[in-house]
Amino acid sequence: AQSVTQLDSQVPVFEEAPVELRCNYSSSVSVYLFWYVQYPNQGLQLLLKYLSGSTLVKGINGFEAEFNKSQTSFHLRKPSVHISDTAEYFCAVIYLGANSGYALNFGKGTSLLVTP
Amino acid sequence: SAVISQKPSRDICQRGTSLTIQCQVDSQVTMMFWYRQQPGQSLTLIATANQGSEATYESGFVIDKFPISRPNLTFSTLTVSNMSPEDSSIYLCSGGTDLYGYTFGSGTRLTVV
Repeated sequence: AQSVTQLDSQVPVFEEAPVELRCNYSSSVSVYLFWYVQYPNQGLQLLLKYLSGSTLVKGINGFEAEFNKSQTSFHLRKPSVHISDTAEYFCAVIYLGANSGYALNFGKGTSLLVTP
Repeated sequence: SAVISQKPSRDICQRGTSLTIQCQVDSQVTMMFWYRQQPGQSLTLIATANQGSEATYESGFVIDKFPISRPNLTFSTLTVSNMSPEDSSIYLCSGGTDLYGYTFGSGTRLTVV
């Protein structure tokens, strides 16, 4: 079965510190990869995506992610976080296959808590 | 990217009743989906809303419980039927024209009492 694993359910970090949110997927088929952010009581906002090409992708709000095919990972990073980055972060995958459909498959989410 | 307006934003409903959630997109999109997000949980795909035909449901979700309509490329509805407290959740619609990332409605927070 295809799955998306976010290894950390919660990540506490101090303001201005770097952060990495981990995501692994399980599939041998081609994938499109995404990170979404959900602020409290709001919908989901696309942070960044990997479709093809350079494995390092940059998104909004200073976030970036690196696609590693051999490790089937797509970890999200930010070199210096702000209080306003406190939110839930979801890794999502579209599996490209004959019968996979084109819906996003989500990980369980990582709650990022930035404190002063 | 398309902008999706979803309503109602929240509702409190009596068990045994039904609620219809609407999503309106500001441009035509080829794909629309409905998700459920239970408190503190991830998003679970309910179904793919197909324009002009029956929705494609995921395992564990059935048409009698979650009927979906999609009469055109800019509008879809999800009905939660014969509600029970277990249906209390956030329901989100999502859509897009290609695989380059979908946008989401702001969600409907449903409480069944």
